[in-house]
Amino acid sequence: DQQVKQNSPSLSVQEGRISILNCDYTNSMFDYFLWYKKYPAEGPTFLISISSIKDKNEDGRFTVFLNKSAKHLSLHIVPSQPGDSAVYFCAARNAGNMLTFGGGTRLMVKP
Amino acid sequence: GAVVSQHPSRVICKSGTSVKIECRSLDFQATTMFWYRQFPKKSLMLMATSNEGSKATYEQGVEKDKFLINHASLTLSTLTVTSAHPEDSSFYICSAVAGATEAFFGQGTRLTVV
Repeated sequence: DQQVKQNSPSLSVQEGRISILNCDYTNSMFDYFLWYKKYPAEGPTFLISISSIKDKNEDGRFTVFLNKSAKHLSLHIVPSQPGDSAVYFCAARNAGNMLTFGGGTRLMVKP
Repeated sequence: GAVVSQHPSRVICKSGTSVKIECRSLDFQATTMFWYRQFPKKSLMLMATSNEGSKATYEQGVEKDKFLINHASLTLSTLTVTSAHPEDSSFYICSAVAGATEAFFGQGTRLTVV
């Protein structure tokens, strides 16, 4: 039973355009959502997060949107850069501080 | 930002031997650390939650006698893979919680059992 899902395993975007990565969840008890970027053979690095009481959080080129009624969140990267190419994981946190990860989306930004 | 150091980054061991992986929070105290495993092209799967001074909580399907976790101090948790077999070969990652909002990850350990 996957509580956090990223339905697109990969996404290809042209440099300068917007990248939109999507994530769906089923557990309404999640209170915090995070996005991580991961390169091969490295640990994930934190990108941006959003509390369940908000619907948008912006940090530079990264914006996360949360739609609680749809149990859906998305990460927007604009403008996309080749250095953004990596695997992106969304994660949801429960009251015990445990993170449940989605399956990841591989983003490729083409020059 | 907070730093979590994981060591070693890469280890090759013979089947039947044990391997210890260390996870240290360098500039903050982590009462809780988590251990994850990543299979090729798969997501991060939580193996266990490590709490300082108490027994680890293992996720369903994770053998606690095989994956020994010790959280002896507020800055150090260790994962020991006992009697390793080739199917234990994987990428192991720890994370430590700082405050209420963020989890910081170690660099990961690539374990290869031959």
